[in-house]
Amino acid sequence: IAGITQAPTSQILAAGRRMTLRCTQDMRHNAMYWYRQDLGLGLRLIHYSNTAGTTGKGEVPDGYSVSRANTDDFPLTLASAVPSQTSVYFCASSADSYNEQFFGPGTRLTVL
Amino acid sequence: DQQVKQNSPSLSVQEGRISILNCDYTNSMFDYFLWYKKYPAEGPTFLISISSIKDKNEDGRFTVFLNKSAKHLSLHIVPSQPGDSAVYFCAASARWRGSTLGRLYFGRGTQLTVWP
Repeated sequence: IAGITQAPTSQILAAGRRMTLRCTQDMRHNAMYWYRQDLGLGLRLIHYSNTAGTTGKGEVPDGYSVSRANTDDFPLTLASAVPSQTSVYFCASSADSYNEQFFGPGTRLTVL
Repeated sequence: DQQVKQNSPSLSVQEGRISILNCDYTNSMFDYFLWYKKYPAEGPTFLISISSIKDKNEDGRFTVFLNKSAKHLSLHIVPSQPGDSAVYFCAASARWRGSTLGRLYFGRGTQLTVWP
């Protein structure tokens, strides 16, 4: 089934550890995004990529990095996790930056 | 500073009645508006959108109204069903203008509960 997959589904991580959240889409979408969802704050954009090879900062980029080596994959890395990064992370993609976005199932991350 | 606001965190409606979810925005550059629906433990799902050249868009039981002068949009669900119970997010973007082309700005969501 075409769509977006995220891995892992959930993770408990010790503070200071490095973690990469994976995101893969098979819809050949040009644009991809990472959001975090926190209670009462809605969805906030972390980083985005309008096309393979390019990335940009969103609303809350600090402590996160991304890469877009190809069209399908858009990993999000936490270089040194902190408890405030405890959240649910959603990856999304769109055909281009002007179309509606399709979301993955999310990764629930807990940093202790 | 939130550019998209959903001032009602929750809404409770009886099955069969109309649900009206509201959203306000502050950025006059926004020209494309979307509603997403989110069930627990799932990612948001696109529901309906409207371009700023329209003031109404319908899709089955879902209608979105846009009032550009008031910078306000609303989602009407008629008739409401228990399966509609979910969190609804309003989102907006400047598709053709501005330096953040295509970026979606989300509201904080409204939890809709439809009871039998």
